[in-house]
Amino acid sequence: GQQLNQSPQSMFIQEGEDVSMNCTSSSIFNTWLWYKQDPGEGPVLLIALYKAGELTSNGRLTAQFGITRKDSFLNISASIPSDVGIYFCAGQLYGNNRLAFGKGNQVVVIP
Amino acid sequence: NAGVTQTPKFQVLKTGQSMTLQCAQDMNHNSMYWYRQDPGMGLRLIYYSASEGTTDKGEVPNGYNVSRLNKREFSLRLESAAPSQTSVYFCASVLRLTSDNEQFFGPGTRLTVL
Repeated sequence: GQQLNQSPQSMFIQEGEDVSMNCTSSSIFNTWLWYKQDPGEGPVLLIALYKAGELTSNGRLTAQFGITRKDSFLNISASIPSDVGIYFCAGQLYGNNRLAFGKGNQVVVIP
Repeated sequence: NAGVTQTPKFQVLKTGQSMTLQCAQDMNHNSMYWYRQDPGMGLRLIYYSASEGTTDKGEVPNGYNVSRLNKREFSLRLESAAPSQTSVYFCASVLRLTSDNEQFFGPGTRLTVL
């Protein structure tokens, strides 16, 4: 299946710091999504991006759809303890009706 | 609205046993999906159903069968469980397959096969 390269795989950050993570692919996507998964729960959609170059915010979260359509990044500003979890990127290939997921980025916030 | 619900939450099976994982959504969504999540592997699609009455294989369908019982319910069956099927299983739904983006996920079923 289509692979998304998500980096880094894990991050330990101090409370209050900003966090950035990105996702890349060798293929062109027409939709990029960012999900968060809390321990013992299913993924929850954070941000959806539909246009190349689009920059979208959701509270302290900001995500961008790369101009090349092959990458996306997610930024979390002023991290708090409840930001702990696994963050997944997902993409929908142009002409394909299914999502491809990255392997996830484990974020740990140190108080 | 309960969203997407899954039963059971936890299950332990012996090799060779069979079981069915249940999923239901109350959002009037047309398309439903089954994924498995393994450490370091992300989410991998097992089967999906674009609409009531249709099902299609995903990335890792071997060892599984599915039934789209009605618009609300999509079940996943393991006929003869194997230790390699130890995983966390997630069901998801979306309004329409052609808008296959904002998928809503259930809480997951944690399956251990001994």
